[in-house]
Amino acid sequence: GDSVTQMEGPVTLSEEAFLTINCTYTATGYPSLFWYVQYPGEGLQLLLKATKADDKGSNKGFEATYRKETTSFHLEKGSVQVSDSAVYFCALKDTGGFKTIFGAGTRLFVKA
Amino acid sequence: DGGITQSPKYLFRKEGQNVTLSCEQNLNHDAMYWYRQDPGQGLRLIYYSQIVNDFQKGDIAEGYSVSREKKESFPLTVTSAQKNPTAFYLCASSIMLAGSGELFFGEGSRLTVL
Repeated sequence: GDSVTQMEGPVTLSEEAFLTINCTYTATGYPSLFWYVQYPGEGLQLLLKATKADDKGSNKGFEATYRKETTSFHLEKGSVQVSDSAVYFCALKDTGGFKTIFGAGTRLFVKA
Repeated sequence: DGGITQSPKYLFRKEGQNVTLSCEQNLNHDAMYWYRQDPGQGLRLIYYSQIVNDFQKGDIAEGYSVSREKKESFPLTVTSAQKNPTAFYLCASSIMLAGSGELFFGEGSRLTVL
């Protein structure tokens, strides 16, 4: 079945460092790909998404490119801030299906 | 402001008790979902519904029940049959069940069994 694998955390960075969180997926169809973010004690919110190969999603300085050849959707940000400390979830949804499948989440700590 | 409201935010339950978690949305979304989140794990789907009076089991439905009597509301009951109910519960909605649309989440309800 479809699945999402993302790098284990926690990831600890200093402010203004470059961030990469790796995400790879397995899917039989042509899924849409998502990054969600969860701040402490809250629900998830959509950070960015891409619906087809080579699409780049971007929001709040974060970017991810849908790479069909490597089945990847890595999250990047050029300069992280303390306020970016959160848990990040990679997810996929087959457009023909009903279920969104989530990775296990990667916790990010950013130090001042 | 449109969104999803979950209540209560924190809930304590004694073993053997049923509890009901509320989820209300004013986004006019057709599809609604309940997920369970445990520490260090991704989200696991409990139940989902695409229209009023219709709902389907997800991956971990045992020990849970739901209803969908109104489009806006999708309450989850955690029954005494759920062996390990302590977790963070998230309600979500989307415009429709199929398609590439994203999920909109409530702020969650944390259930602790004493």
